[in-house]
Parts: sequence; structure tokens; C-alpha cells
Amino acid sequence: DIQMTQSPSSLSASVGDRVTITCRASQRISNYLNWYQQKPGRAPTLLIYAASSLQSGVPSRFSGSGSGTEFTLTISSLQPEDFATYYCQQSYSSPQEYTFGHGTKLEIK
Amino acid sequence: QVQLQQWGAGLVKPSETLSLTCAVYGGSFRADYWSWIRQPPGKRLEWIGEISQNGSTKYNPSLKSRVTISVDTSKNHFSLNLTSMTAADTAVYYCARERTQWPSFDPWGQGTLVTVSS
Repeated sequence: DIQMTQSPSSLSASVGDRVTITCRASQRISNYLNWYQQKPGRAPTLLIYAASSLQSGVPSRFSGSGSGTEFTLTISSLQPEDFATYYCQQSYSSPQEYTFGHGTKLEIK
Repeated sequence: QVQLQQWGAGLVKPSETLSLTCAVYGGSFRADYWSWIRQPPGKRLEWIGEISQNGSTKYNPSLKSRVTISVDTSKNHFSLNLTSMTAADTAVYYCARERTQWPSFDPWGQGTLVTVSS
């Protein structure tokens, strides 16, 4: 199985800050990496697909980069509604082997 | 715009079977794959399985012996059955669309908290 490791597990930041979350794959996955946002009590929503493509309707302050084994999600200027948990997910392997990271909880400082 | 709405029992007894259904509104039910994903308390998301409109299925190997996903194209519904439930199956269960243009999940259903307890 391809293991996905996110860092940090949690992060405190202030409105207006620039924030970066990292996701590492245990083997090369090209650009088959997606990012999701999940707010408490809600389902995840797709932010970024194919490592760097912004999902329709997602604010441009969100961006993704990376290829191979290391990926980043950047929020350029945090807004109050961005405080949530973020997950990466690899879709390189067959669906039976899709895996998610353990999540990064972004909290207000 | 595609929307998913799911329903089913929130409390299941040990050894019994979980049944959940997800309705798809809008979009093209026949064009995509439809998945179930779960999230145990405090743990990462886990893909359970998927079905296409023609009934072709794929399952997570760790759950394959207990999972059945079915589809009713006349109603734009798909369903999950998970047998022999244990406390380890306690989780929030989500249905989701797997997009064909790029393998990713969007949108998701609202989620159902399923607790396994006698």
C-alpha cells in the first residue's frame, strides 16, 4: 500500500497568515494527489486535484504543488472560514488502494 | 450540479448488517463511479468500495469479504451493505462521486454516523 504522511498534524495560525501543509507519499505517485478540506461535522470537500489544479469554486488563495513523493498545499492569506482539517489523498494506484493522509488540523492562534 | 443525499440506520448491533443508501441528484448518474468512504473516530478516511452504473464493483481488500455495493439506476440510488459489524466498524460513512475526468471524490454525501453497539 502507498502510505501518505502529512505534516504537521496540527497548526496554529492567524488570519492573514500564509500557511503550508506537506504531504509525502511512500512511493512515487506522479501528480495523482488530491487535497480536501473538512469542517467539523461536515463532509470533506475537494480543493485541489492533480496536485495543482484548483477545483471549480475554490478561492484562489488555495494552491497546490509537487510531484513524485512530496506535495504541498498553501493558503496564501488565511481567512476565518479556512480553519478546518485538511487531508491529502493519492489516486495513483487502483481504487482498491486509494489512501488518505491522517489530516492536518488548522486552528486559530 | 450533482448532490448526494444518504440515509440509513445509525445504530447497528454487533454481528448485524449495516445498510446505507445514497441518492444522486443532478448530473449524469451513468457517467461516473460511486463510492463509499468511512472515517472512524480520530482516524483517517478509508475508501470502502465503488460501483459503476453498469454494476461493476471494486472493493477495499480489507473489507471485501463483508461488503456489497449495489446500484438502482431507475432511482439513481446506490447502496452499501456491510455484514458482521463490530465495534471497529463504528465510523461516519460517506457516499461520494468519483470523478471520471480525474480520480478524486466530489461531491460527498452529508455523512451518517454509524455506531455498533448492543
